[in-house]
Amino acid sequence: QVQLHESGPGLVKPSETLALTCTVSGGSLSSFYWSWIRQSPGKGLEWIGYVYHTGITNYNPSLKSRVTMSADTSKNQVSLELNSVTSADTAVYYCARDNMGASNFDYWGRGTLVTVSS
Amino acid sequence: QSALTQPPSASGSPGQSVTISCTGTNSDVGGYNYVSWYQQNPGKAPKLMIYEVTKRPSGVPDRFSGSKSGNTASLTVSGLRAEDEADYYCSSYAGSIPVVFGGGTKLTVL
Repeated sequence: QVQLHESGPGLVKPSETLALTCTVSGGSLSSFYWSWIRQSPGKGLEWIGYVYHTGITNYNPSLKSRVTMSADTSKNQVSLELNSVTSADTAVYYCARDNMGASNFDYWGRGTLVTVSS
Repeated sequence: QSALTQPPSASGSPGQSVTISCTGTNSDVGGYNYVSWYQQNPGKAPKLMIYEVTKRPSGVPDRFSGSKSGNTASLTVSGLRAEDEADYYCSSYAGSIPVVFGGGTKLTVL
């Protein structure tokens, strides 16, 4: 059974960089797209971007200037960095697997809450 | 503002059917057969219920069905049960972007 687990600091200061890791167990990164999706408190889902196992990335245009994603197949991990954060970036961050890069997210992590505050 | 438009709420009594709509454009819902639906319970991660407009993942009850007409996709829940009460989100492939979500619909079982 594929499992995804997000990890990283739960509190980030404004203007700093949010950095999260998603560790995949029970399966390989290969042949899948790995997306980061966030959900602000009480709000809907927002796609941040994806990284393919080869390292190819595609980001939401609204966040593209601040986002970096990468994949480490040796560790079975994908990572997210979001720089210059503000309170608007406070959200639960999920990683999710997409087998086609076409919004078909069949496995999700439990999510991790990141709060941006001084 | 979300890229795809969903009604904020929907409701039905146990045993009834309810349909939730998801309206986009020719660039997303209308242009591709890659519409998915997710169920989210409070404090939990979303769960895939429908993918590629009409397909159900293993383990999803056949009471859940999906369809599409033009730029609008729909999720129908038949034989409503109390456990179906949750938030539902649609998503679509949108070409270069390539993922857009709806704003979500809160389904209440009366």
